Amino acid sequence: AQSVAQPEDQVNVAEGNPLTVKCTYSVSGNPYLFWYVQYPNRGLQFLLKYITGDNLVKGSYGFEAEFNKSQTSFHLKKPSALVSDSALYFCAVRDPTSGTYKYIFGTGTRLKVLA
Amino acid sequence: DAGVTQSPTHLIKTRGQQVTLRCSPKSGHDTVSWYQQALGQGPQFIFQYYEEEERQRGNFPDRFSGHQFPNYSSELNVNALLLGDSALYLCASSFQAGPSYEQYFGPGTRLTVT
Repeated sequence: AQSVAQPEDQVNVAEGNPLTVKCTYSVSGNPYLFWYVQYPNRGLQFLLKYITGDNLVKGSYGFEAEFNKSQTSFHLKKPSALVSDSALYFCAVRDPTSGTYKYIFGTGTRLKVLA
Repeated sequence: DAGVTQSPTHLIKTRGQQVTLRCSPKSGHDTVSWYQQALGQGPQFIFQYYEEEERQRGNFPDRFSGHQFPNYSSELNVNALLLGDSALYLCASSFQAGPSYEQYFGPGTRLTVT
């Protein structure tokens, strides 16, 4: 069965410092992996995806993520955090080899960037 | 280029009532998925519609049903509402032939059941 874990409910980081939001996954095949961000009272906004190829993927607003197959992880990173990055972040996985079309989402990590 | 739109924005219903939520996909998209996001949780997959048929369904009871129209827009219907149905309902659209099946989400409909 597919699953996604975001082990941290909240991450606090000072503005200007690097940030990491963790995500691990479990699928039977090769995963499609995604990060989304949600601001208060808003829908989910796409940040980046890993489908195949280079393990380091770059996305919107300076975010990047590294796919690590051996550790089954897909951590979200940013070299220098901004206060405006404060939001709820969701990791999601889809296993295309299983014939399923649905995304499985993690429970979310709240990022607080402190000025 | 309009993104995914949903209506209404907010809705308050009483237990036992029925509700219909609506979604218009992003231009060029032909597939619509519905998710339920309870407070403090990640979105949970309800079902997906493609070519006007339900293609896949998550672990939701038959009280949850849907429809996709020829213009690719979609409706989510929930019958016999329960207090536990209170949540943010998200619609996501995608293009079936796209290689990565990237989904774009609407702003959601906040349903409150009293």
